[in-house]
Amino acid sequence: QSALTQPASVSGSPGQSITISCTGTSSDVGAFNYVSWYQQHPGKAPKLVIYGVTQRPSGVSDRFSGSKSGNTASLTISGLQAEDESDYFCNSYTSSSTYVFGTGTKVTVL
Amino acid sequence: QVQLQESGPRLVKPSQTLSLTCDVSGGSISSGSYYWTWIRQPAGKGLEWIGHIYTSGRTNYSPSLKSRVTISLDTSKNQFSLNLNSVTAADTAVYYCARGLIIPPAFDQWGQGTPVTVSS
Repeated sequence: QSALTQPASVSGSPGQSITISCTGTSSDVGAFNYVSWYQQHPGKAPKLVIYGVTQRPSGVSDRFSGSKSGNTASLTISGLQAEDESDYFCNSYTSSSTYVFGTGTKVTVL
Repeated sequence: QVQLQESGPRLVKPSQTLSLTCDVSGGSISSGSYYWTWIRQPAGKGLEWIGHIYTSGRTNYSPSLKSRVTISLDTSKNQFSLNLNSVTAADTAVYYCARGLIIPPAFDQWGQGTPVTVSS
């Protein structure tokens, strides 16, 4: 199972919106609405920010939103803030009943 | 709020078995419908799903690790464990335990992670 493809880095200025893509195949991202996204600050455990493609856990800012089209899922962060500077990983359930993570994206707030 | 905490040796010799335990507090590991999961992350790299165990004891493992991995559940101690045998330097990573939601799948609670180095 190959890792899902994410851009290595994305940057934006405070207040702007950025979008991170997560490209898989018809056996994972495209097969189900089971994509989740995780924020990971350096030296910390990942934190769930989006699940089920579009759902936001309680306590997560509504500036985080998710979507999916075909084999590509996306995470959008609107109103970018300094605290959003972090690594982000997508994850998908697969048709083999396993899970695959994305390659990870470093978000920089300029 | 459920909390998870990994424990185990931080240094393992090549060819030996890596053994970690995840203590779960704030809730019973045998109640609810969750996948108790292990995930690892080599330094500076991405996350890798290792496998999980359901409250019934049913397991599911990554195909790439399946021949070397065992995940078990100890409901009396409210913990679950990871055994990875025949380790090599490629198994050096931070190992996380996590609680997995089933539908829709996601990992909603994580331990802080424990670094494990495979070296002689």
